[in-house]
Amino acid sequence: QSAPTQPASVSGSPGQSITISCTGTSSDVGNYNLVSWYQQHPGKAPKLMIHEDTKRPSGVSNRFSGSKSGNTASLTISGLQAEDEADYYCCSFAGSSTWVFGGGTKVTVL
Amino acid sequence: QAQLVQSGAEVKRPGASVKVSCKASGYILTSYFIHWVRQAPGQGLEWMGIINPDGGSTNYAQKLQGRLTMTRDTSTSTVYMELSRLRSEDTAVYYCTRDSGSGRSRFDPWGQGTLVTVSS
Repeated sequence: QSAPTQPASVSGSPGQSITISCTGTSSDVGNYNLVSWYQQHPGKAPKLMIHEDTKRPSGVSNRFSGSKSGNTASLTISGLQAEDEADYYCCSFAGSSTWVFGGGTKVTVL
Repeated sequence: QAQLVQSGAEVKRPGASVKVSCKASGYILTSYFIHWVRQAPGQGLEWMGIINPDGGSTNYAQKLQGRLTMTRDTSTSTVYMELSRLRSEDTAVYYCTRDSGSGRSRFDPWGQGTLVTVSS
């Protein structure tokens, strides 16, 4: 069971939109509507941003949105702000009561 | 407000065991699964396993089977993660997190993390 693939880094200027991809397989990302996304600032615990592919928890900015096509899930951050600079991880249910995290993406606000 | 509070940092010798606690408050422990996730220094998140506090059933990541044990004490609303036969590669911050979606990959909230250092 290998980790879904995420780009190591993505950058954008304030106000721009960026998209982070999470490419898995038909055994995990592509087989269940159970991808979630987490934001992690240095030295802090992860924070849930998106769950069940596209659902945004209350309290999370509507600048964050999730989507999925086939074996690839995506997180889009619109209107990029300095506070969005962090690491982002996707996580997918992989069947048989197991889960798998993506390798993580470092977002830099230029 | 649901909260998870973990035990403090540990330093262990290779070959030893470590037991980290995760105390839940603000909700009924048995209502939601708890996952454990670890993060080695400068590395990404790694899913370790899951425990259903209602009954105690568990499932572990294949690479940790045989060394990992998750238990719970419902009387104190506490979940435990014990990792045995520690090696240097187990040095990491260990997190507990609640599956607020009842198995639907909605990990929230998270504990503050416990640093486990394995060093001779």
